[in-house]
Amino acid sequence: TQLLEQSPQFLSIQEGENLTVYCNSSSVFSSLQWYRQEPGEGPVLLVTVVTGGEVKKLKRLTFQFGDARKDSSLHITAAQPGDTGLYLCAGEASGTYKYIFGTGTRLKVLA
Amino acid sequence: DTGVSQDPRHKITKRGQNVTFRCDPISEHNRLYWYRQTLGQGPEFLTYFQNEAQLEKSRLLSDRFSAERPKGSFSTLEIQRTEQGDSAMYLCASSFSFGGRTEAFFGQGTRLTVV
Repeated sequence: TQLLEQSPQFLSIQEGENLTVYCNSSSVFSSLQWYRQEPGEGPVLLVTVVTGGEVKKLKRLTFQFGDARKDSSLHITAAQPGDTGLYLCAGEASGTYKYIFGTGTRLKVLA
Repeated sequence: DTGVSQDPRHKITKRGQNVTFRCDPISEHNRLYWYRQTLGQGPEFLTYFQNEAQLEKSRLLSDRFSAERPKGSFSTLEIQRTEQGDSAMYLCASSFSFGGRTEAFFGQGTRLTVV
């Protein structure tokens, strides 16, 4: 069974702080996606990482794909209250067509 | 709007009733997925279709659940004899794969409350 484990599960920080969310698996993924979800809405795609070791930046968000394509991280610099939400990693493990999600990280940024 | 749309957005039903949800995917996407999500958790995979073929079903999908995608376009998810434990957000997504990457795009979900 392919699983994507995220840590931490919950994170409450002050505005301006930095944070990192991790997404780990024992399986290799051909690509990984990161989503953000607000209450009552569907997840919204933020980024896709494809190549092992790849780093992508989206304003204050930096995404990294592990060299072995089994893990990924999301780093937020100078967090703002607008970053509050549920962050999810997701992907299709190599050799399957099943698109699965991580366990989620609920982030709350306090003003 | 060419995104994924789901209908209805909210459904309240009495225990034991049947409910059906509809999902209209992005038109050029050949894959369609259904997920169930409870509060604060990541979406749990239920089933997916490649065109009209249902290729995988999760063990979460009991005999009371059935999904169809006639003609490879829209999809329906039916829950028969609903139970309180079925209360959740039901999400639909569609995707197409290219170059080994799959990006799924989601609808806004259907929130089911079984009373």
